[in-house]
Amino acid sequence: GENVEQHPSTLSVQEGDSAVIKCTYSDSASNYFPWYKQELGKRPQLIIDIRSNVGEKKDQRIAVTLNKTAKHFSLHITETQPEDSAVYFCAASTSGGLSGTYKYIFGTGTRLKVLA
Amino acid sequence: EAQVTQNPRYLITVTGKKLTVTCSQNMNHEYMSWYRQDPGLGLRQIYYSMNVEVTDKGDVPEGYKVSRKEKRNFPLILESPSPNQTSLYFCASSPLWIWEVRPGELFFGEGSRLTVL
Repeated sequence: GENVEQHPSTLSVQEGDSAVIKCTYSDSASNYFPWYKQELGKRPQLIIDIRSNVGEKKDQRIAVTLNKTAKHFSLHITETQPEDSAVYFCAASTSGGLSGTYKYIFGTGTRLKVLA
Repeated sequence: EAQVTQNPRYLITVTGKKLTVTCSQNMNHEYMSWYRQDPGLGLRQIYYSMNVEVTDKGDVPEGYKVSRKEKRNFPLILESPSPNQTSLYFCASSPLWIWEVRPGELFFGEGSRLTVL
């Protein structure tokens, strides 16, 4: 079945350094790729997303890139801060259109630790 | 305040005792879904619903039932819970109009931690 692989599972960086998390998806029909941040004991919250017709998107210190040919997408966080410490999930989703499918497939998560 | 509300937040039960986890949203979202979160496995979709009386299976539907009789509510039913259903459960909703062309942002509830002994 469809799946999303996410790497690394844990990542430690020094404050101020950059962090990169990578995901690979299998379903070529996927057309929406969001990233969610989950702080300890809290619910996941959307931090950035990208559609299949866009190659890159930025929002202040975070950016996401998408390579549809390779079925890869990545999250980039620059100038990391202690409050960036959390678990990050990537996801791939397929809108309905004619298929009527609205499944969300999440990656297994990356625990990011930003060391002060 | 726009929110997705789940109850109960914490529950310890025994094998075979039917239980229901309720989910309610006040944002008039058409799309609702349930996920379970387990260490090392991320979030896995159990069921989703496009609108009232329209539901479909996600990746891990075995042992669960859902119903969507009203737009705002999407309860998750465990008819005969087993220990492998011990998990953290999240309900989420999303407006459908975004989905007409592309899927959209999921708004999650606070989660329900279920332990089955």
